[in-house]
Amino acid sequence: KAGVTQTPRYLIKTRGQQVTLSCSPISGHRSVSWYQQTPGQGLQFLFEYFSETQRNKGNFPGRFSGRQFSNSRSEMNVSTLELGDSALYLCASRPIYSGQGSPLHFGNGTRLTVT
Amino acid sequence: TQLLEQSPQFLSIQEGENLTVYCNSSSVFSSLQWYRQEPGEGPVLLVTVVTGGEVKKLKRLTFQFGDARKDSSLHITAAQPGDTGLYLCAGPGGSEKLVFGKGTKLTVNP
Repeated sequence: KAGVTQTPRYLIKTRGQQVTLSCSPISGHRSVSWYQQTPGQGLQFLFEYFSETQRNKGNFPGRFSGRQFSNSRSEMNVSTLELGDSALYLCASRPIYSGQGSPLHFGNGTRLTVT
Repeated sequence: TQLLEQSPQFLSIQEGENLTVYCNSSSVFSSLQWYRQEPGEGPVLLVTVVTGGEVKKLKRLTFQFGDARKDSSLHITAAQPGDTGLYLCAGPGGSEKLVFGKGTKLTVNP
């Protein structure tokens, strides 16, 4: 069974630009979560999607948005990039939405650098 | 928001040594998970502990969940270079999301 696939692996963007990251979950997994990982803050929850609906959102500005398609693939978009958005963006999937604390299966992330 | 604090933040040891890393909170968690993240990769689940006082073993790794379900520890016996990585604990943070500690970065030198 293929794991969670994130593309691209690396991105370099300039301040003010926008970026779209893509995530394909494990086959059969319908829930997709996004996390931002930085050395100072660790993993911070961005949002979670299930059945094409955003079920949960973290404390990030509106510049961060996402969506999920009918095949469970997900994209996240960051507009008006700032230097502080430089981070590893991780996507994770799990079979269903419910299940307090059900474990996540992570992709290898997209490393975004904003210059 | 429930917070998880991990200690130590960094740990560098020699091959063959034993070590323990900790995950603490002021809140009660229904369960806790431990992940290991290697450079250039995403975190991988090691174990989930659910019952207060529970001890789980995974080869040379021993995980313990505190009786009050506010803390957990990971003990590694006879560490090997392959154990090098970032160890993360995570627990339910309300509204179905998982919250993570900042992790312990372990380096095992040959």
